[in-house]
Amino acid sequence: SQQGEEDPQALSIQEGENATMNCSYKTSINNLQWYRQNSGRGLVHLILIRSNEREKHSGRLRVTLDTSKKSSSLLITASRAADTASYFCATGSDYKLSFGAGTTVTVRA
Amino acid sequence: DAGVIQSPRHEVTEMGQEVTLRCKPISGHNSLFWYRQTMMRGLELLIYFNNNVPIDDSGMPEDRFSAKMPNASFSTLKIQPSEPRDSAVYFCASSLARTGGNKQYFGPGTRLTVT
Repeated sequence: SQQGEEDPQALSIQEGENATMNCSYKTSINNLQWYRQNSGRGLVHLILIRSNEREKHSGRLRVTLDTSKKSSSLLITASRAADTASYFCATGSDYKLSFGAGTTVTVRA
Repeated sequence: DAGVIQSPRHEVTEMGQEVTLRCKPISGHNSLFWYRQTMMRGLELLIYFNNNVPIDDSGMPEDRFSAKMPNASFSTLKIQPSEPRDSAVYFCASSLARTGGNKQYFGPGTRLTVT
């Protein structure tokens, strides 16, 4: 079953704008991860945030985690055409991940 | 590092035929995962191996599906007999299992079409 649920399902933004997507989950987690999938490709790991962390940055990415609300957000700043992809949150135990349905982001030039 | 390698990249077969998908994980990784991705069901974990041993096969849909990992550098997912509803993209992923969370590295996937 898919534990993480992303919102919105789809997002269209202009190049240079920021993109924000959210993930909600149901049960306790050890960590939450975000992955990107370009069309026709495999998933690529973006960032992992542990349950005892509240915020994490990696380049233009910023992830927050609120375990009391069982939610996370991924912010992509200054978006580029190359950011066009589907973004998935994944929650799980030390080995097993459950992926959400993803948010499809389209960055318009 | 070549990444996770999967073959074939595309497979078209007729219903009832046997299909074998192959995966070479990243050298040094001790965990291997097979996933299936469809529009309807999203990304589903089929089976997980740790140190070549199947740990969790609860996601394998039915007896027509089987997976093996004879050594640390090779795994297969077999469907026999195949059915049209098996059409999907099948991903193999590997990771170095450790406590605190494991980043998974995905292969490019095998797009399977069963007619």
